[in-house]
Parts: sequence; C-alpha cells; structure tokens
Amino acid sequence: SQQGEEDPQALSIQEGENATMNCSYKTSINNLQWYRQNSGRGLVHLILIRSNEREKHSGRLRVTLDTSKKSSSLLITASRAADTASYFCATDAGGGADGLTFGKGTHLIIQP
Amino acid sequence: NAGVTQTPKFQVLKTGQSMTLQCAQDMNHNSMYWYRQDPGMGLRLIYYSASEGTTDKGEVPNGYNVSRLNKREFSLRLESAAPSQTSVYFCASSEGRWIQYFGAGTRLSVL
Repeated sequence: SQQGEEDPQALSIQEGENATMNCSYKTSINNLQWYRQNSGRGLVHLILIRSNEREKHSGRLRVTLDTSKKSSSLLITASRAADTASYFCATDAGGGADGLTFGKGTHLIIQP
Repeated sequence: NAGVTQTPKFQVLKTGQSMTLQCAQDMNHNSMYWYRQDPGMGLRLIYYSASEGTTDKGEVPNGYNVSRLNKREFSLRLESAAPSQTSVYFCASSEGRWIQYFGAGTRLSVL
C-alpha cells in the first residue's frame, strides 16, 4: 500500500519561482527521502532526512520533516527548466521488510 | 561507472509468454530491489534481496519470481505474462537501508 502521498499531484510555475511540494505518510519512519524522475528515466536520489532531523538543505533544495504531523515538504528555490520532472517521497518504516515505500509523485513543470 | 544496468530497455510480449528481466550493479551493494511503476500508482516493490542468496517478497509479488545470481546480479522472471503486468520495471540497489540507486527501467507491454 502507498505510504506517502504527495501534494499537489501536478504543479506548473514560471522559471525563477520557488516550488513547494508536500508529502504525508501514515506510519512511523526511520527516514524519508526525496527522489526525482525525469521523463522516461530512472529515479535519482535528491536528499534524505532522518526522523530526528527537522530540516535539511542541499543546494537549492530544502526539506523539512514534521514527525508529529507525519509530513514533509520539499522546496526548490529559483527553479530552472531542468527541474521539470516528477518528484517522489519515499519512506523507510524500519522493521523486517526491506525496500522503500513511494508516494505517487508530484509532476513539476517549469515554464520558461 | 555504470551504476545499475537493466536489460532489455523495451519488450513486447504476448499473453502467456515468459521472459527474464536482467539487472546488474557495479557498486558492490548488498541490497537489490525490483519495483514496478504504473501510471498514477508510484513505485511498488515486487521483490527484494538483502544479500546474496536471500530474496523476499514485497508488496506485489504475484506472477513474478526472482533470482539473486551473485552479488552483482538480480533477475526478475515472468513465467506466464498477463496484460496486468504491462508496466515499467525498475531495478535498484543500495548499501543497507539508505539511498537507492536506480536503473533506467524496462518498459514492458503484454498484449
């Protein structure tokens, strides 16, 4: 079953604007990751945030995690056309089962 | 450095045919995974292998078998393909339960 749910499902903004997408999940997690998928390609890891962290930065990316609300957000600042892609959150709930549980993704379109 | 390599990239099968999707990684990772991606569904885990010689079912294992041939290779077999198995299949690898590295995918159509 899907653990994470991204919101919005689709987002279209102008180049240079900031893009924010959200992820909600259902069970306790060890960590939460964000991945990017360009059209027709595999997923590429962007950033990982542990359950005891609240915010993390990587270049133009800022991720927050609120474990009390079981939610995370990904902010992409100063967007570029090359940021056009689908973005997925993925959670590791720990326990015996391995593998990540992915949300359905947010499709981001950056208009030039 | 190739990372995770999947073959073939595209495949069309008729219902009832069998095929094996190949995956190899050159990062010396212990863990390998097979996911399927369907429109509007995100990725769902089919099978995984936490180490050479071990395999375990994921969320959607029915209709599939896997083999962890060695540390590098993890194959996914469809014994009798069904139209419901039309999907994009991704292989991934990781060291432990952290960042996963994905292949480019295999686009499979079952007619």
